[in-house]
Amino acid sequence: AQSVTQLGSHVSVSEGALVLLRCNYSSSVPPYLFWYVQYPNQGLQLLLKYTTGATLVKGINGFEAEFKKSETSFHLTKPSAHMSDAAEYFCAVKSAHRGTGNQFYFGTGTSLTVIP
Amino acid sequence: NAGVTQTPKFRVLKTGQSMTLLCAQDMNHEYMYWYRQDPGMGLRLIHYSVGEGTTAKGEVPDGYNVSRLKKQNFLLGLESAAPSQTSVYFCASSYRTDLMNTEAFFGQGTRLTVV
Repeated sequence: AQSVTQLGSHVSVSEGALVLLRCNYSSSVPPYLFWYVQYPNQGLQLLLKYTTGATLVKGINGFEAEFKKSETSFHLTKPSAHMSDAAEYFCAVKSAHRGTGNQFYFGTGTSLTVIP
Repeated sequence: NAGVTQTPKFRVLKTGQSMTLLCAQDMNHEYMYWYRQDPGMGLRLIHYSVGEGTTAKGEVPDGYNVSRLKKQNFLLGLESAAPSQTSVYFCASSYRTDLMNTEAFFGQGTRLTVV
């Protein structure tokens, strides 16, 4: 079974500080991992995704995530937070069982607040 | 390119009423999904479809029905709305491909309130 756990439902950082949002996954097969961002009253937008190969993945808006198989983690980081980064962030894992329709399993989300 | 479009964006229903949410995608995606989003619970899969004419149950299917009569459309129906179905509903679609790293594309959501 696939699942993701996001540690910390709310994270606050000061503007210019490091952003670290945590995601751990559970997967019995090689995982396919994603981070999405949701701005208020909007749908989910892809930030980045993990493909086999490079373990450090760069996404939009200066975000990146590192896949660590030994720790079953896919934490999202950004060196310097901007006010515009305030949003809800979701980590997701995709089932590798193609017969079930490539289901995506989402974490419960982390709300990021950026303090001026 | 519109992507994934959901109709309506907002709706208020009385308990026991019925309604249909429409999702349309113009990316020729095989797979389509309906999720509900509730505070502290993330996104939960209601139903999904792997192709025209096929549907399957997700994690929380009770109280909902779906249909995929055309490849580009995926309808979510509530036959008898209950307050517990107050939520934000998202439709998503993705390619059917052996490349498992393909992502899902989301609509803007439908905010449904059942009173």
